[in-house]
Amino acid sequence: EIVLTQSPGTLSLSPGERATLSCRASQSVSSSYLAWYQQKPGQAPRLLIYGASSRATGIPDRFSGSGSGTDFTLTISRLEPEDFAVYYCQQYGSSPFKTFGPGTKVDIK
Amino acid sequence: QVQLVQSGAEVKKPGASVKVSCKASGYTFTSYDINWVRQATGQGLEWMGWMNPNSGNTGYAQKFQGRVTMTRNTSISTAYMELSSLRSEDTAVYYCAREGVYCSSTSCYAGGFDYWGQGTLVTVSS
Repeated sequence: EIVLTQSPGTLSLSPGERATLSCRASQSVSSSYLAWYQQKPGQAPRLLIYGASSRATGIPDRFSGSGSGTDFTLTISRLEPEDFAVYYCQQYGSSPFKTFGPGTKVDIK
Repeated sequence: QVQLVQSGAEVKKPGASVKVSCKASGYTFTSYDINWVRQATGQGLEWMGWMNPNSGNTGYAQKFQGRVTMTRNTSISTAYMELSSLRSEDTAVYYCAREGVYCSSTSCYAGGFDYWGQGTLVTVSS
């Protein structure tokens, strides 16, 4: 089973700053089947990125994903107030297992 | 529009079972896998398993093997997740989520969990 590690655990930034979130896998992720989700308190997660770098429908272009193999990155180019949330990566290529990382909290500095 | 609507909150005693439903609308139910994910209060997301609503095939996380059963009723576009032998550590919000598909000119690929239910709180307490 592939284990995902996310860093940092918490990222404290100000609106307008750039956020760089890391997700590392214990084994290579098949066909870049790596997704990123945003979750706000009391809400279901929202898909941001799939296939490591493709934005989901309706996701602003300030969100971008990159990486392959075992190292992946989510970048938020300029933080908006609504972007302060918890972000999870997930691999879904190692069928039947589709594990999530532990999450990175982006909070206001 | 695509919607997944889950059943309401449940309170169960240790050792009991719970069955959560997830009614899909706005798309062809049998065309997309349904996954179940849970989240304990203040904790991260935990993937439990998936089901293909067309074939009924399932795959479960090792942690839940033997305790979880995922089924569906295609006539009413509804998926179910049943968890047995409940213990206090199973107290969590349980989500169903559709696995998206995206296609290039030559192939189609899984595309992450693109639609989620609103969540069902299951509380296990004596």
